[in-house]
Amino acid sequence: GDSVTQMEGPVTLSEEAFLTINCTYTATGYPSLFWYVQYPGEGLQLLLKATKADDKGSNKGFEATYRKETTSFHLEKGSVQVSDSAVYFCALSDVTDKLIFGTGTRLQVFP
Amino acid sequence: DGGITQSPKYLFRKEGQNVTLSCEQNLNHDAMYWYRQDPGQGLRLIYYSQIVNDFQKGDIAEGYSVSREKKESFPLTVTSAQKNPTAFYLCASRETGLGNQPQHFGDGTRLSIL
Repeated sequence: GDSVTQMEGPVTLSEEAFLTINCTYTATGYPSLFWYVQYPGEGLQLLLKATKADDKGSNKGFEATYRKETTSFHLEKGSVQVSDSAVYFCALSDVTDKLIFGTGTRLQVFP
Repeated sequence: DGGITQSPKYLFRKEGQNVTLSCEQNLNHDAMYWYRQDPGQGLRLIYYSQIVNDFQKGDIAEGYSVSREKKESFPLTVTSAQKNPTAFYLCASRETGLGNQPQHFGDGTRLSIL
């Protein structure tokens, strides 16, 4: 079945460092891909999405490009802030429009 | 403001007790979802509903029940048959009329055993 694999956390960075969180997927067809962010004690917020190959989603300085050839959707940010500390989830929507989530990657940013 | 409201924020269950988690949305979305979140396991789908008066089991439906009598409401009952109910429960909704629309989430209910 469809699945999403994310890099293990936590990812620990200093403020203003470059961020990459890897995400790869296995899917039949052409899924839409999403990154969600979860702050402590809260629900998930949509961070960005891409609906077809080579699409780039972007929001709040975060970017991810839908790479069909490598089945990847890596999340990047050029300069992280302490306020970016959260858990990040990669997800795909399957042929029935249900979301399949990765296990999440915790990001910790220190000043 | 449009959004999804989950209540209560914290809930405690005694042995043998059924408890119901509320989820209300005013986004006029057709589809609604319930997820369970455990540490290190991401989110797992419990039940979902694409339309009023219809719902389907997700990956971990055993020990749970739902109803969808109104478009805006999708309550989840955690029954006594669910032997390990301690988790963070998230409700979501989605617009289905247009393709590839993302799911929107509430702030969750944390359920613990007394």
